[in-house]
Amino acid sequence: EPEVTQTPSHQVTQMGQEVILRCVPISNHLYFYWYRQILGQKVEFLVSFYNNEISEKSEIFDDQFSVERPDGSNFTLKIRSTKLEDSAMYFCANAGENTEAFFGQGTRLTVV
Amino acid sequence: AQSVTQPDIHITVSEGASLELRCNYSYGATPYLFWYVQSPGQGLQLLLKYFSGDTLVQGIKGFEAEFKRSQSSFNLRKPSVHWSDAAEYFCAVGPRYNNNDMRFGAGTRLTVKP
Repeated sequence: EPEVTQTPSHQVTQMGQEVILRCVPISNHLYFYWYRQILGQKVEFLVSFYNNEISEKSEIFDDQFSVERPDGSNFTLKIRSTKLEDSAMYFCANAGENTEAFFGQGTRLTVV
Repeated sequence: AQSVTQPDIHITVSEGASLELRCNYSYGATPYLFWYVQSPGQGLQLLLKYFSGDTLVQGIKGFEAEFKRSQSSFNLRKPSVHWSDAAEYFCAVGPRYNNNDMRFGAGTRLTVKP
């Protein structure tokens, strides 16, 4: 089965610091997504990205968040100034044309 | 706007008993439909999906789901639950012609009694 790789698996950061979460996609799968899951809660959509631009974003995805594919391969989520409430599991997902989204194992972000 | 409802937050079944997890969706057209399973501290694993064709779809680990257009439902079933099935189950929907808008239900936590 195709595999999406996320790094790091766990990130601890101080409040106010910037973090970058990385996702290595599947070859030729050009739809990218980030989801967030606060501990014990549902999986929430953050943003979708296709053809080097954001396709859609949720109300959670405010100005402190950004996404990009800086090297045309890895897909990143940047949180500029982390807050305590940003602590969550962040999932990257990747899909091809008419395929399901394949999820990475997630990055657990802990903001202290 | 699309939405997914999983009416049951928590279900407890005995090992060997049958299982049905409910999922209802609201969408302007027939969407893609998915069930994912998440074990504690783990990522999301796809159990099965419906894109088109036969409305009864088979998945991994002995799960199946039936798409009922008239009821806007995509319920997950398993005839005999194993203790290892204890996990969180998420129903999700996505649009038919692209994958931009995948949305998840709130999840159903399954507990399996010995």
